[in-house]
Amino acid sequence: SAVISQKPSRDICQRGTSLTIQCQVDSQVTMMFWYRQQPGQSLTLIATANQGSEATYESGFVIDKFPISRPNLTFSTLTVSNMSPEDSSIYLCSVETTSRGTQYFGPGTRLLVL
Amino acid sequence: AQKVTQAQTEISVVEKEDVTLDCVYETRDTTYYLFWYKQPPSGELVFLIRRNSFDEQNEISGRYSWNFQKSTSSFNFTITASQVVDSAVYFCALSGFFGNEKLTFGTGTRLTIIP
Repeated sequence: SAVISQKPSRDICQRGTSLTIQCQVDSQVTMMFWYRQQPGQSLTLIATANQGSEATYESGFVIDKFPISRPNLTFSTLTVSNMSPEDSSIYLCSVETTSRGTQYFGPGTRLLVL
Repeated sequence: AQKVTQAQTEISVVEKEDVTLDCVYETRDTTYYLFWYKQPPSGELVFLIRRNSFDEQNEISGRYSWNFQKSTSSFNFTITASQVVDSAVYFCALSGFFGNEKLTFGTGTRLTIIP
């Protein structure tokens, strides 16, 4: 499995502001994903981060709210824009490595919006 | 559409007891993957196992065992001789077989091991 890091690990933000979360992998991976886990809930896929092209968003998630970048095969960012308290969640990136079909997750970013 | 159901929201057992976490899934795919992940209080999601839909052999890894029954669309997880370190939220998940496919998670089961 790959070693995945996320920055920041946690943050407290004011409503109306934006936060960019970074995901770094220690090896090149084909697929990177971003998930959201709202308090006490399960994980929901936000989007697939595609290298060199626009991210593929799931129903209910839009690029204006969650812009994603994937400049290379080891790095991706997720921005949570114009935040509201409802955006308070854990945001996790995951990668699919050589073990095709298996996703490994980063440690997550705990976001609290006041 | 894919769906994963974990009917047990919370389970508490005394240390050293055995415990089984249930997972039932729905999919129209004929081939797929099933997963279990562990989320301890620290929040990270730890991969435990992946099972292919065409491999119904049960699997054992130390104190952990998994029972996959395609006929009942179930993929249950048993911990024997539970330990306090097993306390976590456990998620069952499902994905398509051909890679690059999203994981559909169940709602999770919070397991508390009482010392």
